Amino acid sequence: GQQLNQSPQSMFIQEGEDVSMNCTSSSIFNTWLWYKQEPGEGPVLLIALYKAGELTSNGRLTAQFGITRKDSFLNISASIPSDVGIYFCAGHFGNEKLTFGTGTRLTIIP
Amino acid sequence: EAEVAQSPRYKITEKSQAVAFWCDPISGHATLYWYRQILGQGPELLVQFQDESVVDDSQLPKDRFSAERLKGVDSTLKIQPAELGDSAMYLCASSLASGKETQYFGPGTRLLVL
Repeated sequence: GQQLNQSPQSMFIQEGEDVSMNCTSSSIFNTWLWYKQEPGEGPVLLIALYKAGELTSNGRLTAQFGITRKDSFLNISASIPSDVGIYFCAGHFGNEKLTFGTGTRLTIIP
Repeated sequence: EAEVAQSPRYKITEKSQAVAFWCDPISGHATLYWYRQILGQGPELLVQFQDESVVDDSQLPKDRFSAERLKGVDSTLKIQPAELGDSAMYLCASSLASGKETQYFGPGTRLLVL
C-alpha cells in the first residue's frame, strides 16, 4: 500500500524560529492535507492542497504541493508557544483512502 | 462553527467487555469515517460510510468490531469483546463526499482496556 514518510520525526526549536517539515509518498497523490493534533484531541485541518505546484498560506503557515505530486512541505514562520503539537501530513489519490504520515512532534524551547 | 461530535471522550474497560463509541458528523456530510490511532502513529482507517452504506471496511477486524450508520447521519462503532491491544484513540471524521472533499475530525474517544 501507499507509504508516507514524514520528516523530521521531532523538532526542538526556540520561540521565534521558523519551522520546516515535509512528506514524501511512494506514489502520486491528487490531494495533500496538513493537520495539527494536540494531546487528547483530534487532528485539526490546517491547509488543504489540491493542485501540483500549489502554494497556500494560512496565517504564519505555508504549505506547498510538490510538482512531482509525491511530496508536500509545511513551513511555520516565527513560531510561538501555541504551535506546539504533532503535525501530520495526509494524502490520497482519487477515491482511495486517506493515508497519514507518522507525524512531526514540534516542541518549543522557552 | 460546525463540528464533529464524539462521545464518550474517555472510556476505561476491562478486556472481554463490550464498548461502544458514538459519532455525529457535521450536518450535511454524507461521508463518515472511523479511524484508530495508536499512540505515536497517524490515524488508520477502520471503516468508511457513504450515507448509510459501508464503502470500505477492509481494515476493520470484523470478528470483534462492528459499525453502523442506520439513518445515514450519526454512527456507532462497537468492540466486543475488547482486547488489551484495542487501547487507542478512536477518531471519527466526516466530509461532504468521498474523494476530493476534505475530512474534518472529531475530538476522539480515548479507550483504555485493562
